[in-house]
Amino acid sequence: GDSVTQMEGPVTLSEEAFLTINCTYTATGYPSLFWYVQYPGEGLQLLLKATKADDKGSNKGFEATYRKETTSFHLEKGSVQVSDSAVYFCALSVGSSNYQLIWGAGTKLIIKP
Amino acid sequence: DAGVIQSPRHEVTEMGQEVTLRCKPISGHDYLFWYRQTMMRGLELLIYFNNNVPIDDSGMPEDRFSAKMPNASFSTLKIQPSEPRDSAVYFCASSTTGGSYNEQFFGPGTRLTVL
Repeated sequence: GDSVTQMEGPVTLSEEAFLTINCTYTATGYPSLFWYVQYPGEGLQLLLKATKADDKGSNKGFEATYRKETTSFHLEKGSVQVSDSAVYFCALSVGSSNYQLIWGAGTKLIIKP
Repeated sequence: DAGVIQSPRHEVTEMGQEVTLRCKPISGHDYLFWYRQTMMRGLELLIYFNNNVPIDDSGMPEDRFSAKMPNASFSTLKIQPSEPRDSAVYFCASSTTGGSYNEQFFGPGTRLTVL
């Protein structure tokens, strides 16, 4: 079945470091891919998305490129801030008529000043 | 837009009591999802509705859990009787077929503690 695998956390970095959080997927068909972020004490919110191969989603300095050949959607940011500390979830959906998302386990990111 | 509204934000109850969680989706959204989040199991989809009709309830852990959506602007998740292992954060999310590829909008969650 469809699935999403994320790198385990927590990931601890110093401020201004480069961030990569790995996400790979298994899916039939042509999924749309998402990164959601959950700040402490809040619900999840969409960070960025990509709907077809080679698309790059970007928001708030974060980027992820939909790589069909490697079935990956890695999240990157060039210079992280303390305020980026949160849990990041990779997710996919398959089919425009299926509104259910398949979620990764989440990766906790801790940024130290 | 007010976003997805959940109530209560926090609930503390004793084992055996009935618990009702409430959700108001974003106006115009036709999909509604209930999730449970715990440290051990992460984010789990419990049930989702389309146009007020339950589509998939395979994630509901057992018969103690039930969910209803009597109209497009209101849904409830009920646990009866509650048990300590039900302690978790419960999220409601909504989305729309007219929106951007399956983006789900989450409420702030209800933190449930069963003593």
